Amino acid sequence: KAGVTQTPRYLIKTRGQQVTLSCSPISGHRSVSWYQQTPGQGLQFLFEYFSETQRNKGNFPGRFSGRQFSNSRSEMNVSTLELGDSALYLCASSLEAGLAKNIQYFGAGTRLSVL
Amino acid sequence: DAKTTQPPSMDCAEGRAANLPCNHSTISGNEYVYWYRQIHSQGPQYIIHGLKNNETNEMASLIITEDRKSSTLILPHATLRDTAVYYCIVRVVGTDKLIFGTGTRLQVFP
Repeated sequence: KAGVTQTPRYLIKTRGQQVTLSCSPISGHRSVSWYQQTPGQGLQFLFEYFSETQRNKGNFPGRFSGRQFSNSRSEMNVSTLELGDSALYLCASSLEAGLAKNIQYFGAGTRLSVL
Repeated sequence: DAKTTQPPSMDCAEGRAANLPCNHSTISGNEYVYWYRQIHSQGPQYIIHGLKNNETNEMASLIITEDRKSSTLILPHATLRDTAVYYCIVRVVGTDKLIFGTGTRLQVFP
């Protein structure tokens, strides 16, 4: 079974641009979460989606948004990029949302560099 | 949301047991303890999780104290490939939100 797939793996953008990152969960998984990892702040939760609905949101500005499609694939968008948005963006999928036995499986991430 | 405290780094000889401690003194009754590891900027890899009982799987053992304020991850026979950053995480049941701490960088040496 294929793992969580994130595309693209690497991305270079300039300040002010916007970017869209994609995540394909493991087949059969319906819950998708996004995380940002930076050297200074570590791994931080961005948002969680299940059945095309955002269930939880982390403490990030409105420039960060996401969505989930009916096939459980998810995208996240960052508008008006800032230098501080340079990070590794990780997507994780799980079978269902919020279950006690849930295990989240992470993708390899998209490394975004903002110049 | 409960926070976790881990030592920033630890060393372990290859073939010996690695015992990684974690404090989560503010954990609530409905929060699970999860352990993940991350090898050189790859995506975090799930290791094990538990609520209040000790757990064991093919990768590791998890020992949770009776008051649930701390836990220890045990890698019984560490190998060089176990060199990674290990994260102790609490998760609120009902959400998939993982709250990562700073982790412990485990270095396994020959």
